[in-house]
Amino acid sequence: DVKVTQSSRYLVKRTGEKVFLECVQDMDHENMFWYRQDPGLGLRLIYFSYDVKMKEKGDIPEGYSVSREKKERFSLILESASTNQTSMYLCASSTEANYNSPLHFGNGTRLTVT
Amino acid sequence: DQQVKQNSPSLSVQEGRISILNCDYTNSMFDYFLWYKKYPAEGPTFLISISSIKDKNEDGRFTVFLNKSAKHLSLHIVPSQPGDSAVYFCAASAAGNKLTFGGGTRVLVKP
Repeated sequence: DVKVTQSSRYLVKRTGEKVFLECVQDMDHENMFWYRQDPGLGLRLIYFSYDVKMKEKGDIPEGYSVSREKKERFSLILESASTNQTSMYLCASSTEANYNSPLHFGNGTRLTVT
Repeated sequence: DQQVKQNSPSLSVQEGRISILNCDYTNSMFDYFLWYKKYPAEGPTFLISISSIKDKNEDGRFTVFLNKSAKHLSLHIVPSQPGDSAVYFCAASAAGNKLTFGGGTRVLVKP
């Protein structure tokens, strides 16, 4: 069974802090994704990566960056956290080259920025 | 502007009855649609999908219907069970590109 593990379940950070959210998958998937989930807005794609050291902007990349140095690990970085980045962050992975293949999600990190 | 909309934020249904979840989209290029289910404190899990070349796909108690002319899809759960209580997201993609998700519908199945 595919496992996508997000390092923190809950995080509380202060405005202006640099925040790292870590995600590891154990099934050798090529594609990895970062989404944020907000009430009524569903899941919105922040960044994705289809290979090591490759990254693509999603729909809402502003204020975020990512790093993928190893195939199994995809990190989301908030360079200077702001209160409007308080959200649930979900990491996902998939194996196929196109995005019709089902995504496998981690359990999420709830980030609160005060 | 949201290209995928789930206009009902919540739905309550009696155990054993049918649950019908609706999803509307505006982008006529969408050609693949998926439904995900999410329990609290867990990530979404894939439930069922449909390609635009079909108008129906069935998997056990779950059936997805696609009406391309109306740009509308629906998920039917029959019979509904208490374990189906969750948030359901529909998602769409065009030519295998990134998924666009709706806002979700919270389903409560009452025993």
